Amino acid sequence: EAEVAQSPRYKITEKSQAVAFWCDPISGHATLYWYRQILGQGPELLVQFQDESVVDDSQLPKDRFSAERLKGVDSTLKIQPAELGDSAMYLCASSFYRGTGANVLTFGAGSRLTVL
Amino acid sequence: SQQGEEDPQALSIQEGENATMNCSYKTSINNLQWYRQNSGRGLVHLILIRSNEREKHSGRLRVTLDTSKKSSSLLITASRAADTASYFCATDEGGNDYKLSFGAGTTVTVRA
Repeated sequence: EAEVAQSPRYKITEKSQAVAFWCDPISGHATLYWYRQILGQGPELLVQFQDESVVDDSQLPKDRFSAERLKGVDSTLKIQPAELGDSAMYLCASSFYRGTGANVLTFGAGSRLTVL
Repeated sequence: SQQGEEDPQALSIQEGENATMNCSYKTSINNLQWYRQNSGRGLVHLILIRSNEREKHSGRLRVTLDTSKKSSSLLITASRAADTASYFCATDEGGNDYKLSFGAGTTVTVRA
């Protein structure tokens, strides 16, 4: 069964350091999402890509976060510098959705970030 | 911002009992989905109900949707220990199918 791959699974870093997360969506999935999930809360959308283009990054803290999906396949989410409040699970999801039918997301296992 | 709100926040039941959780949302939707998340893992899609549907079944899952009240319920019948997880509803905001917003979730614990 096809999966969304994410790495690393766990990352511990000190505040002010840079950190990067990688996501490889299911082959053929045009839409890719990065969500942040703070412990005990639901996922909150950070950025959405359609192919290589950013569709929605309104909730992305652009002073420290950046995301790219250069060839419309895999994606990287970067935080620089990391702050204590960035400790969370970072979830990548993808879907085949292109405007018709239903948009059902497949999630990766997530990257757990702890900032000390 | 989160479109949906689940109720209750947490639920503890005995194995074999039914578990019911509710989701309320704010704007009009095209679809409502339910996802499950096991501890420390990603979310897994369970079931989707369209705005023109009132009830849907999948195995031991039953979902209802009341668009006039902007609410949905998820019923898990004959619960098992493996159903222990957090459950989230997800809605498209204002009919924008690309933008899915998740509620805060209901944590279900099934006791053996």
